Amino acid sequence: ETGVTQSPTHLIKTRGQQVTLRCSSQSGHNTVSWYQQALGQGPQFIFQYYREEENGRGNFPPRFSGLQFPNYSSELNVNALELDDSALYLCASSSPWGSGADNEQFFGPGTRLTVL
Amino acid sequence: AQRVTQPEKLLSVFKGAPVELKCNYSYSGSPELFWYVQYSRQRLQLLLRHISRESIKGFTADLNKGETSFHLKKPFAQEEDSAMYYCALRGHNYGQNFVFGPGTRLSVLP
Repeated sequence: ETGVTQSPTHLIKTRGQQVTLRCSSQSGHNTVSWYQQALGQGPQFIFQYYREEENGRGNFPPRFSGLQFPNYSSELNVNALELDDSALYLCASSSPWGSGADNEQFFGPGTRLTVL
Repeated sequence: AQRVTQPEKLLSVFKGAPVELKCNYSYSGSPELFWYVQYSRQRLQLLLRHISRESIKGFTADLNKGETSFHLKKPFAQEEDSAMYYCALRGHNYGQNFVFGPGTRLSVLP
């Protein structure tokens, strides 16, 4: 069983650019959630994908978008980057809703994004 | 609105001393409560959840609905307990997301 992986590890972009972050979910998990963790804060929920559909979204603008693929891997896209987007972006996968194990999220190591 | 507060950014205790990390929440309904831990250079991982009523690594947490609290306790702290601790909640409905607190850094001194 492989854990959640994320790529890249680090990324530096300039304001106004676009970025794509990638996540591979843990084997058997079809739900992926993305979080933004600014320095000194807890993770903040961006959105969740289940069976390739977005089924929950936090208080983030539309320039934050995502995709989930048939193999349950996922992407987070951020357009028109702003300085405040600098953060650690975490991906977490979990078991299907109602499976009894769906309330445990398994986190990836994160992607550190720096916007200059 | 869903919200989780952890009043202490940093908590330092000596090895063998009791430790309590505070967590309060606001939620209209009955949420599920969790504690997540992040050890140095490791990823965020689940420590315990209130529905399991379990003790993990000597830690326990009791959900107090009257006080809307879910404090994490351990009677005798160990140096290896030093880590970042996050309290989190989730609603029961389908698609409910996790809401995390800002975290408390626990430092257990020798």
